Amino acid sequence: KQEVTQIPAALSVPEGENLVLNCSFTDSAIYNLQWFRQDPGKGLTSLLLIQSSQREQTSGRLNASLDKSSGRSTLYIAASQPGDSATYLCAVSYNTDKLIFGTGTRLQVFP
Amino acid sequence: KAGVTQTPRYLIKTRGQQVTLSCSPISGHRSVSWYQQTPGQGLQFLFEYFSETQRNKGNFPGRFSGRQFSNSRSEMNVSTLELGDSALYLCASSLAGYNSPLHFGNGTRLTVT
Repeated sequence: KQEVTQIPAALSVPEGENLVLNCSFTDSAIYNLQWFRQDPGKGLTSLLLIQSSQREQTSGRLNASLDKSSGRSTLYIAASQPGDSATYLCAVSYNTDKLIFGTGTRLQVFP
Repeated sequence: KAGVTQTPRYLIKTRGQQVTLSCSPISGHRSVSWYQQTPGQGLQFLFEYFSETQRNKGNFPGRFSGRQFSNSRSEMNVSTLELGDSALYLCASSLAGYNSPLHFGNGTRLTVT
């Protein structure tokens, strides 16, 4: 069964810390992996998309890495800010537009 | 460029009724996907349409159906509503389907009483 797991489920940190969010998937034959953020009561915002042939992607203070062989991805957030507070979701696809989502990491960054 | 628009934002229905949700994708996007989000099950894939054809379907009963029009707008219908259908329904669009980033709308919050 294709499953995606995210650890930790929740994280509360002071502003300025560097963070690592983890995502693992059981079937390593992924086509791509995406990271999203979701603010309360809102839809999802795409942060980064990593193709299966890539090892990492960067956007501003965000860096996502992918290790297909071990079935893992990490999202690194540098110098966290209160505005980063949200739920972060990773999702994998297996050659279709169907995404399998993880359960998310709820992040709170306090001043 | 306008984002993905979902209407209505909130709906309250009673058991046994049916409901239709609407999604307007980003201009030029031809793929539209639907997801159900609940606290217990998280985000689950319902179906995906590309150029008016259903390409993929998730593990939901036949009460859940959808369609896509020639202008790429999509509708989702749920018949004979059950309490367990209460959820946030999210629509996402992309340029060409897989390997393109998905852009989500803000969702329709459906409450079944």
